[in-house]
Amino acid sequence: QVQLVQSGTEVKIPGASVKVSCKASGFIFSNHWMHWVRQAPGQGLEWMGIINPSGDTTSYAQRLQGRLTLTRDTSTNTVYMELRSLRSEDTATYYCARDESDQDSGGRQWWFFALWGRGTLVAVSS
Amino acid sequence: SELTQDPAVSVALGQTVRITCQGDSLRSYYATWYQQKPGQAPVLVIYGKNNRPSGIPDRFSGSSSEITASLTITGAQAEDEADYYCKSRDSSSFQWVFGGGTKLTVL
Repeated sequence: QVQLVQSGTEVKIPGASVKVSCKASGFIFSNHWMHWVRQAPGQGLEWMGIINPSGDTTSYAQRLQGRLTLTRDTSTNTVYMELRSLRSEDTATYYCARDESDQDSGGRQWWFFALWGRGTLVAVSS
Repeated sequence: SELTQDPAVSVALGQTVRITCQGDSLRSYYATWYQQKPGQAPVLVIYGKNNRPSGIPDRFSGSSSEITASLTITGAQAEDEADYYCKSRDSSSFQWVFGGGTKLTVL
């Protein structure tokens, strides 16, 4: 079964760190870049970052740089999102998503997430 | 770069509605559209020029012109009531960005 299974709810105090996992199954994990997206309660989707198949290339949203680290373990088909120095504003549901991309005959590209994890709630509160 | 969407749009049952997304990056890259219902993960509805994943009804279609991408629902149904987000790659960096989302109400 093609799926992304995320770890469970986390409750953290401000200043702590959190590490959320996303385990892939049913497809060739090493063929795909992976993204992380978060959504604060009642708010929109926010792109967080991307990691390449071998785990040696990442890119992070500017506002999260310095606090966010994405890693992946190819032996267990798992990608991880670690966010440090947590603040109340980091309270959100965190999603992993599988990257797919293509381009038209003119070279114009697109990227899409057809497969998402079900989300992990991270609550930050004192 | 940013992607701008109208915060809310309404449509009468069975009528046609267009949800738009504007941003400079759309000159270079196609937008992708997602539907999200309360308490659920987003679902891909349109990608590329006008591609629908299997399982997405053909009443959903996409188009693009200059800096504007559009998602059109022809004959909106009650089950289409949801939040819709566009997404694209930033034109000047290896980053992606979502629009703020449009809440669609089907009357």
